[in-house]
Amino acid sequence: AQSVTQLDSHVSVSEGTPVLLRCNYSSSYSPSLFWYVQHPNKGLQLLLKYTSAATLVKGINGFEAEFKKSETSFHLTKPSAHMSDAAEYFCVVNNQAGTALIFGKGTTLSVSS
Amino acid sequence: EAEVAQSPRYKITEKSQAVAFWCDPISGHATLYWYRQILGQGPELLVQFQDESVVDDSQLPKDRFSAERLKGVDSTLKIQPAELGDSAMYLCASSSDRGSYGYTFGSGTRLTVV
Repeated sequence: AQSVTQLDSHVSVSEGTPVLLRCNYSSSYSPSLFWYVQHPNKGLQLLLKYTSAATLVKGINGFEAEFKKSETSFHLTKPSAHMSDAAEYFCVVNNQAGTALIFGKGTTLSVSS
Repeated sequence: EAEVAQSPRYKITEKSQAVAFWCDPISGHATLYWYRQILGQGPELLVQFQDESVVDDSQLPKDRFSAERLKGVDSTLKIQPAELGDSAMYLCASSSDRGSYGYTFGSGTRLTVV
């Protein structure tokens, strides 16, 4: 069965330092992978998506992720954290039919000044 | 920018009572999803509609949960009777096609069962 594992439940960084949120996936088919962000009391927002095109995917707000099939990973990075990046981040894989999303448990990103 | 509307924003109910949530998807979106997000976890799919038809309700606890989308537009999710374990955020999302790439999520309804 397809699944994603977010390796860190909580990541803390200082403003201006790099961000790394780690995600491994398991899938019996060629997956589409996504990162979503959830700010308090707001809906889930798509950051970026991988759909078998370029393995390095650029998203909104300076985030990017690299699909590595050999490592079954899809880590999210940002060169320089901003206070507004503090939120919950979800790594997501589509189901085999391509019609619904399967979420990881989430990583809480804290950014200190 | 078009949004998925959900109401109420918050709901507190006593266990064994009935509760209902409403979702109005983006106009023209044929696919509608209900997800449940328990505190500290990622959302899990409850039910998926294509127009007015249920496509996937395999994870919906059918003994107490029901969902409908009678005219293929807005949708209602009902729980009867509510249990303490149903406390969660209930998220609605819509998509313009059956693919999962064009989701838009609503802000959710936070349910607390006491």
